[in-house]
Amino acid sequence: DAGITQSPRHKVTETGTPVTLRCHQTENHRYMYWYRQDPGHGLRLIHYSYGVKDTDKGEVSDGYSVSRSKTEDFLLTLESATSSQTSVYFCAITASGARTDTQYFGPGTRLTVL
Amino acid sequence: AQKITQTQPGMFVQEKEAVTLDCTYDTSDQSYGLFWYKQPSSGEMIFLIYQGSYDEQNATEGRYSLNFQKARKSANLVISASQLGDSAMYFCAMRVPYNNNDMRFGAGTRLTVKP
Repeated sequence: DAGITQSPRHKVTETGTPVTLRCHQTENHRYMYWYRQDPGHGLRLIHYSYGVKDTDKGEVSDGYSVSRSKTEDFLLTLESATSSQTSVYFCAITASGARTDTQYFGPGTRLTVL
Repeated sequence: AQKITQTQPGMFVQEKEAVTLDCTYDTSDQSYGLFWYKQPSSGEMIFLIYQGSYDEQNATEGRYSLNFQKARKSANLVISASQLGDSAMYFCAMRVPYNNNDMRFGAGTRLTVKP
């Protein structure tokens, strides 16, 4: 258990509305990530953070923004949700493993945009 | 660009038998890491096993082993003595370490263990 929680766990919203997903970690990890999971694509990186106020884009960042004002919280915002952003969103952190730094994932947030 | 390919959308295996899930990768970097994750129907992503590009021996973790063939750029997951609880999606992933731990995932293989 890497001490990662995501909220909300499920959300249904309408096209054009703003949505913010929260990732919270309790173990002071430096790196945090947001992925989306879609059938046939595995997980794709949206944005990541390497420290407070330090963020960068991933593979599929269009339509998303992030913020990290505290070490423990990493927020993902959809400024104006679209149906193509219906997905399962996972937050992850990098933690030291037995042999290497390893990414560990939160429980996921299922987002439906109608 | 880094790419991970899992060519088996679905696999079936009889309980107690071994199964191999295929993963090939493409990178021009010499230093990289390969990971396997399990996603049961409950949805969480569970880390299973890791192989470094410079590791001389194949990684093993309990019933999981990684058949690493560097020249072929393959990193197949072998599950021995399959159990019903092994039924899940399995994802292969690659990390290029000099890009802030960026991970690239394959599309996944759905494994079904039959009693």
